[in-house]
Amino acid sequence: EVQLLESGGGLVQPGGSLRLSCAASGFTFSSYAMSWVRQAPGKGLEWVSAISGSGGSTYYADSVKGRFTISRDNSKNTLYLQMNSLRAEDTAVYYCAKVGVVVVAATHFNYFDYWGQGTLVTVSS
Amino acid sequence: DIQLTQSPSFLSASVGDRVTITCRASQGISSYLAWYQQKPGKAPKLLIYAASTLQSGVPSRFSGSGSGTEFTLTISSLQPEDFATYYCQQLNSYPWGWTFGQGTKVEIK
Repeated sequence: EVQLLESGGGLVQPGGSLRLSCAASGFTFSSYAMSWVRQAPGKGLEWVSAISGSGGSTYYADSVKGRFTISRDNSKNTLYLQMNSLRAEDTAVYYCAKVGVVVVAATHFNYFDYWGQGTLVTVSS
Repeated sequence: DIQLTQSPSFLSASVGDRVTITCRASQGISSYLAWYQQKPGKAPKLLIYAASTLQSGVPSRFSGSGSGTEFTLTISSLQPEDFATYYCQQLNSYPWGWTFGQGTKVEIK
């Protein structure tokens, strides 16, 4: 059974830092890209960042580029999100998600097939 | 960046109704679209990927269609457990913004 368990959320002051972790189990972690998605209170979903299975490629939404860093430790089956220079607008529940892929006629289709339960990050003084 | 616009944003319906939600992309995304269901306080759940492929375990009353810039999610006969918020997501440009639509909340009439 695939399980994703986020941790590391909490209250932080504006300008502060926080590192989120996502412990994965039930699948070959290194074989799959992973992603972070956030949801501000009462708002919709916002894609934040993604990382390839090897960790060699990383991608960010413009809203977090230069402030957040995604990484992974495949030996520990763990995904991370280092968040620096936090702002009030970063307040949200942060979800990690496994990126599934299916190949149809040589075309790769991605999707987020498993999600963690989320961890709340509150940026406030 | 590719923008996704869902309509309607809010939908009131009764059990047994046929419900259709539309997702329009600001540029063509072939069939690189997924649909998710989210209930309050819970993580999203994958329903449909590649625009029309039903995720394993998802009831067959859910279906997806479309390609290019216009997509639909249809619930053929709304059940009590289907009252939730639905999101589309484009996964076209890997992954220069795997953006989500703004969501459609389906509530009981």
